[in-house]
Amino acid sequence: DVKVTQSSRYLVKRTGEKVFLECVQDMDHENMFWYRQDPGLGLRLIYFSYDVKMKEKGDIPEGYSVSREKKERFSLILESASTNQTSMYLCASSSLSGSNYEQYFGPGTRLTVT
Amino acid sequence: AQSVTQPDIHITVSEGASLELRCNYSYGATPYLFWYVQSPGQGLQLLLKYFSGDTLVQGIKGFEAEFKRSQSSFNLRKPSVHWSDAAEYFCAVGARAAGNKLTFGGGTRVLVKP
Repeated sequence: DVKVTQSSRYLVKRTGEKVFLECVQDMDHENMFWYRQDPGLGLRLIYFSYDVKMKEKGDIPEGYSVSREKKERFSLILESASTNQTSMYLCASSSLSGSNYEQYFGPGTRLTVT
Repeated sequence: AQSVTQPDIHITVSEGASLELRCNYSYGATPYLFWYVQSPGQGLQLLLKYFSGDTLVQGIKGFEAEFKRSQSSFNLRKPSVHWSDAAEYFCAVGARAAGNKLTFGGGTRVLVKP
């Protein structure tokens, strides 16, 4: 069964802290994505990756960076957390094969920055 | 650039009544269209998807959606709503030219009255 896991369901951090959000998928998918979800705005793409060590900016990359050292793992990094980064963060993965664009999502991490 | 509009932020429906959620997209070529559902505290689950062929698509949990190219719409329907359908629903559009990325609408939250 398809599975995407995220390291924490809830996280509380202080302003200025460095924050790591981890995502792991067990489907051998090439593509991985990080979104943030805010009420009324839906999901907005932060960064995505097509392969190990490859990354591309999404629609709202400012204040974030990512790392993909292994195919199954995609990390989102907040270098210096700010209160406007309080949000729900969702990770997803998808396969390149068969033109299947379906993305599989993790349960999300609700991050609060105080 | 592709975009998705879900005009209804909230919908309240009585249990057993029919449900229709609206989705309008903007994209120059033939899009790939998706509906996802997010139950409280959960990640997103795929309900159904349209790539090509029959414009009426059947999904899980008794949902269906109809692709209407002339109206740039992909509305989601269910003939008889159950209390467990209370959730947030997201429409998304993707395209080969967008490189496996999806663009999501703002979401519609469905409340089910007993």
